[in-house]
Amino acid sequence: DIQMTQSPSSLSASVGDRVTITCRASQRISRFLNWFQQRPGEAPKLLIYEGTSLRNGVPSRFSGSAFGTDFTLTINSLQPEDFATYYCQQGYTTLWTFGQGTRVEIK
Amino acid sequence: QVQMQESGPELVKPSETLSLACSVSGGSISSSSYYWAWVRQPPGKGLEWIGTMYYSGSTYYNPSLRSRLTISGDTSKNQFSLNLNFVTAADTAMYFCVGGYSSGPPGYWGQGTLVTVSS
Repeated sequence: DIQMTQSPSSLSASVGDRVTITCRASQRISRFLNWFQQRPGEAPKLLIYEGTSLRNGVPSRFSGSAFGTDFTLTINSLQPEDFATYYCQQGYTTLWTFGQGTRVEIK
Repeated sequence: QVQMQESGPELVKPSETLSLACSVSGGSISSSSYYWAWVRQPPGKGLEWIGTMYYSGSTYYNPSLRSRLTISGDTSKNQFSLNLNFVTAADTAMYFCVGGYSSGPPGYWGQGTLVTVSS
């Protein structure tokens, strides 16, 4: 199985901050990496697909980058509604795996 | 726009079978344009992929659940279902049905249904 290692597991930030979350795959997954946001009590919501593509309707302050097996989700100018848990997920193989999640909390 | 809604019992006894259905609107489960999947989330924990069903009938299961799991579709109802046998407390979770385009990302999610395994 492909393991996805996400870091950090949690972080504290203020409104207006820039936040970076990293996900590392245990093997090459091309760009088949998706990022999700999950607010408490809600289903996960797709933000970024194929490593760098912003889903329609997602604010442009969210961006994704890819370098080999390392992927990054960046949130520029954190907004109050961005305090949530973020997950990466690889779709390179038919056996999906998720990262452990990163909880973004208010400082 | 594809919409999905889970249904099924909220409480299942240990050693019994957990059965959930996902009703799909805005897309056909028999279409080659989509795939359909289940993901679960134990209380306070992360997301775990359960399995995926493709229009061809092919299914792929999480190896840790494969021996107890069946995912299938009912084209007459435009639903797909999850059956997990011999459940234990470790199967207590929020269960989400998920859909996506062809080889694209899982972009459509149901609201989830909490299933508790307890006697």
